[in-house]
Amino acid sequence: AQKITQTQPGMFVQEKEAVTLDCTYDTSDQSYGLFWYKQPSSGEMIFLIYQGSYDEQNATEGRYSLNFQKARKSANLVISASQLGDSAMYFCAMREGLFNNTDKLIFGTGTRLQVFP
Amino acid sequence: DAMVIQNPRYQVTQFGKPVTLSCSQTLNHNVMYWYQQKSSQAPKLLFHYYDKDFNNEADTPDNFQSRRPNTSFCFLDIRSPGLGDAAMYLCATSRTRGPVDTQYFGPGTRLLVL
Repeated sequence: AQKITQTQPGMFVQEKEAVTLDCTYDTSDQSYGLFWYKQPSSGEMIFLIYQGSYDEQNATEGRYSLNFQKARKSANLVISASQLGDSAMYFCAMREGLFNNTDKLIFGTGTRLQVFP
Repeated sequence: DAMVIQNPRYQVTQFGKPVTLSCSQTLNHNVMYWYQQKSSQAPKLLFHYYDKDFNNEADTPDNFQSRRPNTSFCFLDIRSPGLGDAAMYLCATSRTRGPVDTQYFGPGTRLLVL
């Protein structure tokens, strides 16, 4: 079963509008972290925002906010006031507790966001 | 600024010719990771070092090796690159392991195998 699901392969948004990128996850761990990364065409993976499973408040970082609904196992990224430079691939990722010494980010398949003027 | 640095940004090698990619960090993080990302796919973890302890993923081919001579540096060695090893290789660091800390990535090295 997919641990991280991003159902939107591509999204379009007009400059200055808000956009929501969807992410659902699956885990039986009580302690886990959810992350969003941005990957422009240059290839660098840029950390945007983090939400811990025990955090009661939704995380915010500037124009980025994470809509965390634990019961629904969803962690959607909201980008407000979109800019042309936001055009990129966006990955949702999860980090669980250690098991058999494996420690990795589990990534979704990504959503390609295009911002148009 | 503290950062993760990867050199070179682009690497061209020949089929079967050993190649080494390097990663350095000024964050003083304990954990360093190597991910492989093929075109239009999500990154896939190859292995990680927790301090000096090497941890290999079960499905990482033997063709891929790694060295971490000190806290700051980590190397990825591909002993006999095949055409299927052409990919972006991403190095990441984390203060510690587990679900709380963030992994920070370098800019990546794009490997082309001719």
